[in-house]
Amino acid sequence: AQTIHQWPVAEIKAVGSPLSLGCTIKGKSSPNLYWYWQATGGTLQQLFYSITVGQVESVVQLNLSASRPKDDQFILSTEKLLLSHSGFYLCAWSQQGANSDYTFGSGTRLLVI
Amino acid sequence: GDKVKQSPSALSLQEGTNSALRCNFSIAATTVQWFLQNPRGSLINLFYLVPGTKENGRLKSAFDSKESYSTLHIRDAQLEDSGTYFCAAEMDSNYQLIWGSGTKLIIKP
Repeated sequence: AQTIHQWPVAEIKAVGSPLSLGCTIKGKSSPNLYWYWQATGGTLQQLFYSITVGQVESVVQLNLSASRPKDDQFILSTEKLLLSHSGFYLCAWSQQGANSDYTFGSGTRLLVI
Repeated sequence: GDKVKQSPSALSLQEGTNSALRCNFSIAATTVQWFLQNPRGSLINLFYLVPGTKENGRLKSAFDSKESYSTLHIRDAQLEDSGTYFCAAEMDSNYQLIWGSGTKLIIKP
């Protein structure tokens, strides 16, 4: 069975500090991977997607970057956090190819102060 | 304007009653997914739909691509059905989902 794991569960960080969030998918080869951001009480906004190792496409620019260093790993990062980065970050995967259902990780809550 | 309009934005129901949520699409959707976000924030995939209907226990969902809408019916609502329901549409296989704004559902005993 496939599992998706996000880390950390929660973070409190200072404005201007760096950030790295991680996502690992086990039990599935070559998945499509996605990063989403959700403001408190808001809808989901897709940030990035990746359909293969080493390739990441940006959907929305929020002064964040993403990388896929391994087939099963997706990293979201920034060198300088803004207050507006606060929120809930979710990683998801879907089957290789287009048009399949998404499975989400349990998310990371980020508070920037 | 919104490409995916979800209604209602909030709904409060007595346990045991039925409800219907709806999403209207202003552009061509190829697939639709329905999710439940629980109070801890976890997103649970309820349905993945190409045009047609699916049923799972007390939940039933339909997607009509010609009329550009999707519905989610909850029968005999239970307390654990509480949470925020989102629909999300994929258009043209571009690895992006367009999300509705959610329906916050509260089930009262």
